[in-house]
Order: sequence, then C-alpha cells, then structure tokens
Amino acid sequence: TQLLEQSPQFLSIQEGENLTVYCNSSSVFSSLQWYRQEPGEGPVLLVTVVTGGEVKKLKRLTFQFGDARKDSSLHITAAQTGDTGLYLCAGTNNAGNNRKLIWGLGTSLAVNP
Amino acid sequence: GAGVSQTPSNKVTEKGKYVELRCDPISGHTALYWYRQSLGQGPEFLIYFQGTGAADDSGLPNDRFFAVRPEGSVSTLKIQRTERGDSAVYLCASSLTLGETTEAFFGQGTRLTVV
Repeated sequence: TQLLEQSPQFLSIQEGENLTVYCNSSSVFSSLQWYRQEPGEGPVLLVTVVTGGEVKKLKRLTFQFGDARKDSSLHITAAQTGDTGLYLCAGTNNAGNNRKLIWGLGTSLAVNP
Repeated sequence: GAGVSQTPSNKVTEKGKYVELRCDPISGHTALYWYRQSLGQGPEFLIYFQGTGAADDSGLPNDRFFAVRPEGSVSTLKIQRTERGDSAVYLCASSLTLGETTEAFFGQGTRLTVV
C-alpha cells in the first residue's frame, strides 16, 4: 500500500515567518500535487510536479519534488494570514493505468496576525 | 456548469436510512472520483470511475456503499442502512486522464450527518 506522510500535522506561526511542509513516502510516484483546502470547500490544486528534482514557484510558495520522486516539500516565504488552510499532498502512480490519487493526511496551517 | 457540482450540500439522516449523493463533474472529464473526508484529515479514497465503469472500488468500506455512473457523466453515491460512523464530508472530483498527470478538480462536498 502506498502511503504519503505529511509533517508537521499542525503548524501555527506569526505573519511574516517562513515555513516548510513535508510530504514523504517509501514509494515512487509518477507525479505529485499540492492542494490547499479551506473550511467548507473542496481542495484546490496549487501545483503538479512530475520530474525528479523539479522546483516550481508560485509567488511566495516554492514546491520541490525529490530526486527519487518519493518526497516533496512546500516552502512558504513571509506567510500571510490568507495562507491559513489545510495543505494536502497527493501522488499518482500510473502503473497499470490506475489514476487514483494517494493522499497525505494534510498539514493544518494557521498564520496569526 | 464550470465546476464540479455536488448536491445536496448538507444532508442529515437518521441511522438506518438510505441516502443518495449526487455529483455533476466538469463537462468532458472522463474520470470521476469519490472521497470521504473527516474533519482535519485528508480525503480517503472510495471509488474511481473511468467513463461508465468503476476502475477501482477498493476504497468502498463495505457493501452498504455503492456508486454508479450510468452515462459516464453524473455519478451517484448510494449508502444503505446508514450508520453514525458514515458521517463525513463526501467529496467528488473529476479529471481528464491525459499524459502523466492527473489534476483533479473538486466539488464543495456533501456534508452527511447521521443521527
């Protein structure tokens, strides 16, 4: 069974601080996505990474896919209160044409003013 | 519509009753997923459709849960003899299955409460 472990599970920081969220697995993924979810809403896709070692930037967010495609990180610079939410990573292993997403349990981020 | 639509948004039912949850995916998306999410947790995979057929139903917890997608578009998740432990937000997502990535677009979910 493929598992994705996210850490930390909860994070509470002050506005302006930097943070990193990790997503780790013992399995290799064809691609990995990061989602952000707000209360009462479904997850919204932030980024997809496909190539080992890939780094993608989305404004203050930096996403990295590990060289072996088993892990990923999300780094937020100068966090803002609007960054508050549940951050989820999800991976795909397209072996056998199965497109099921494997999900981490999420990191709940609270950015305090 | 432009996005994934789920109805109802909230459903309160009594233990032992039957419920149906509906999902209208994004037009043209061949893949449709059902997930269940508890408060503060990540989504738990239930079932995945590719077109009309269930490509993977390994996440359905037991035979009280069933889902259909008869015309390859709208899907209905059916739960028989509901139990209090079935209370959760049921999320539907759809995607195009092209290339090496599977980008899923989610609905807002149906919050099911079994009392």
